[in-house]
Amino acid sequence: KAGVTQTPRYLIKTRGQQVTLSCSPISGHRSVSWYQQTPGQGLQFLFEYFSETQRNKGNFPGRFSGRQFSNSRSEMNVSTLELGDSALYLCASSDRSGLLTNEKLFFGSGTQLSVL
Amino acid sequence: SQQGEEDPQALSIQEGENATMNCSYKTSINNLQWYRQNSGRGLVHLILIRSNEREKHSGRLRVTLDTSKKSSSLLITASRAADTASYFCATDLILPGANSKLTFGKGITLSVRP
Repeated sequence: KAGVTQTPRYLIKTRGQQVTLSCSPISGHRSVSWYQQTPGQGLQFLFEYFSETQRNKGNFPGRFSGRQFSNSRSEMNVSTLELGDSALYLCASSDRSGLLTNEKLFFGSGTQLSVL
Repeated sequence: SQQGEEDPQALSIQEGENATMNCSYKTSINNLQWYRQNSGRGLVHLILIRSNEREKHSGRLRVTLDTSKKSSSLLITASRAADTASYFCATDLILPGANSKLTFGKGITLSVRP
């Protein structure tokens, strides 16, 4: 099976712009989670989608949004970019179906976003 | 604030030595997982230990979980230069409504000197 694919790998934007990142999960995985990784804060949970519905959400402002399509592919969008949004954005998929537990996550290589 | 806090933040050892990394957490969990990340890449799952388990092994990895102390440790035996990476503890938090969320610590940087 192909792994989790994130595009693009690198992105440079300027303040005020918006950006859309894409994630294709492992075939058969219906749960997709997004994380923001910065040197100072580590990995911060953004949100989780399952069957096109947002199941969990982290403590990020409304500028951060996401969605999931019927084929489980997911996108996240950041509007009105700020310098502090510069980070590695990681997508992970899993075959978790129920809400009760999180099992093993499979991560993509991430999208490195630089905001100038 | 982070749920899982790893300790130490950085560790430097000689090849062949053992590396021990610790993780503490604050609230009830379903399971605890350890991941590894090579510079600028995605995370790779290493091992998962459930709340009703005390110890698990996988190759050169040994993980323990003490739910009374809310802590876990990851031991890598006979380390190799290729083990150089960042290691993350992730806790599957029990949430209301039969829900859960996986949260990560800030990571431990392990350097293994040849």
